[in-house]
Amino acid sequence: ILNVEQSPQSLHVQEGDSTNFTCSFPSSNFYALHWYRWETAKSPEALFVMTLNGDEKKKGRISATLNTKEGYSYLYIKGSQPEDSATYLCAPGPIIQGAQKLVFGQGTRLTINP
Amino acid sequence: ETGVTQSPTHLIKTRGQQVTLRCSSQSGHNTVSWYQQALGQGPQFIFQYYREEENGRGNFPPRFSGLQFPNYSSELNVNALELDDSALYLCASSFRGGTGELFFGEGSRLTVL
Repeated sequence: ILNVEQSPQSLHVQEGDSTNFTCSFPSSNFYALHWYRWETAKSPEALFVMTLNGDEKKKGRISATLNTKEGYSYLYIKGSQPEDSATYLCAPGPIIQGAQKLVFGQGTRLTINP
Repeated sequence: ETGVTQSPTHLIKTRGQQVTLRCSSQSGHNTVSWYQQALGQGPQFIFQYYREEENGRGNFPPRFSGLQFPNYSSELNVNALELDDSALYLCASSFRGGTGELFFGEGSRLTVL
């Protein structure tokens, strides 16, 4: 059974500050690592899918890094804005095309204080 | 918006009853997955369908079953409902041969009394 841990479970950040949180997963038999953002009353939305050790991806103010050898990924948000308030989920999944049996962490609930 | 729609959005059932949840995949997607999110947990994989056949199953009993139709829409059926089945059920479509990212619906919230 794949054990995926995200920390912290919740986080309050002042608007304008930068923040980061962690996803840890078993490094053996690594596949791909997905990050999703889930705003209240909406559907989870894909942020990144990363496959290579050392991979770094960026979308606007949000970026992510991946270390498959030690089994972790970091998500960074620069200059937090109220619209960044959401739960951020990570999930390792198969590297074969077509996501299959993603194992999600519990998520990090981020609240941006104006 | 992802283009994945689920129905119903909310429903209440009693223990022992059966429920059917429905999902319409995003256009062009050939794979659908179902996840259960219980309170305080991340989504847990139930099963996936590809070309109308089950293609991977999580740790859920056989009373959880599904269907995928030729138009790639899907159903999740749960028989003999138990209180612990109360959860948000998420449907996600994807394209086998693509990046692997999932496109989720907003979910169906099931309450079992």
